[in-house]
Amino acid sequence: EVQLVESGGGLVQPGGSLRLSCAASGFTFSSYWMHWVRQAPGKGLVWVSRINSDGSSTSYADSVKGRFTISRDNAKNTLYLQMNSLRAEDTAVYYCAREDAVGPKADYYYMDVWGKGTTVTVSS
Amino acid sequence: DIQMTQSPSSLSASVGDRVTITCRASQSISSYLNWYQQKPGKAPKLLIYAASSLQSGVPSRFSGSGSGTDFTLTISSLQPEDFATYYCQQSYSTLGFTFGPGTKVDIK
Repeated sequence: EVQLVESGGGLVQPGGSLRLSCAASGFTFSSYWMHWVRQAPGKGLVWVSRINSDGSSTSYADSVKGRFTISRDNAKNTLYLQMNSLRAEDTAVYYCAREDAVGPKADYYYMDVWGKGTTVTVSS
Repeated sequence: DIQMTQSPSSLSASVGDRVTITCRASQSISSYLNWYQQKPGKAPKLLIYAASSLQSGVPSRFSGSGSGTDFTLTISSLQPEDFATYYCQQSYSTLGFTFGPGTKVDIK
């Protein structure tokens, strides 16, 4: 079964750090680009970050750039999100998602597998 | 940055109704548009990719159309399990996979 399982969420004080993990199983993790998406309580989905299959290319939303770092360990089939200098507005459920693509140039990207999410609360 | 808007923000409908949700991009995104369904407390689920392609396992009552800046998600006959929030997402700009604000579909 194709599966993504997030972990590492919790309560952290403003200015603190947290590292999220996303364990992948049931597919060849090293072949897929991966994403983090978050959802603040009662709000919509917000894309956070993306990483290519070998970890050499990353991109970030402006709201987290310079504070968050996405990475992966293909040997461990695990995706990470290192979150530093956390703010109250980072409070959210964080989902990891697998990216797939179709089309002649394989550039019609979409997120076809999602984890159940892990909750991060930033509060004093 | 590409901004996405959706209308309506919420709607009430009955089982069996035809439901249409609109998504608009702030610039042309060709067919780089996906639709997701999310139920309370659950992860999003991919419904439609590349504007009109139905994801495997998704019922055929769901369909997507559009290109450029204007897109539509249609549910041909609303079922009880379809009450949820629906999000569009652009994948034209890989620097930021922007989601729309969502459309909540609830029971009339």
